[in-house]
Amino acid sequence: DVKVTQSSRYLVKRTGEKVFLECVQDMDHENMFWYRQDPGLGLRLIYFSYDVKMKEKGDIPEGYSVSREKKERFSLILESASTNQTSMYLCASSIRPRADSYTFGSGTRLTVV
Amino acid sequence: RKEVEQDPGPFNVPEGATVAFNCTYSNSASQSFFWYRQDCRKEPKLLMSVYSSGNEDGRFTAQLNRASQYISLLIRDSKLSDSATYLCVVNSGYSTLTFGKGTMLLVSP
Repeated sequence: DVKVTQSSRYLVKRTGEKVFLECVQDMDHENMFWYRQDPGLGLRLIYFSYDVKMKEKGDIPEGYSVSREKKERFSLILESASTNQTSMYLCASSIRPRADSYTFGSGTRLTVV
Repeated sequence: RKEVEQDPGPFNVPEGATVAFNCTYSNSASQSFFWYRQDCRKEPKLLMSVYSSGNEDGRFTAQLNRASQYISLLIRDSKLSDSATYLCVVNSGYSTLTFGKGTMLLVSP
């Protein structure tokens, strides 16, 4: 089975800190995605990447950046964390442009205080 | 604006009941449709794809109506283990998906 691993399950950071959320997949998938999920708002796409060093903005990229230096790793960066970035962050990967090949990581619950 | 709309529920049903969820989508150019299941505090997982002709997987039946832009999921003979949030998902571009906010199902003994 494809495995998508997110480095932290729970994270608490202070306002203004730079935060790195790491995601690694082990099946040579080209596509990787970062979503955030909030009660009442559902899953929203932050950034995605089709290839190494390639990135595209999703629906809510403000306050975030990403890095994909290696095919298996896709990092989400909060340049200066704010309390409204407290959320569940989910990474996903896929081998081709179809949802039935999406595999999600188990999520990182980030709290910014 | 790309949107996927679902009734948030919760739908409370007894074991053995049949329950149906609907979902509407606004992007008429969408080509791929799915139902995902998400358990509490877990990640979403693909339940089934939705095909134009309708498709069935055991107790689950999915239907697509392109003309009216809605998708449905029917669960027969509900089990306690079916309790979860069901997400309607529509492709919104090359490789990207738009998720509905989900419909919560609670199956009671």
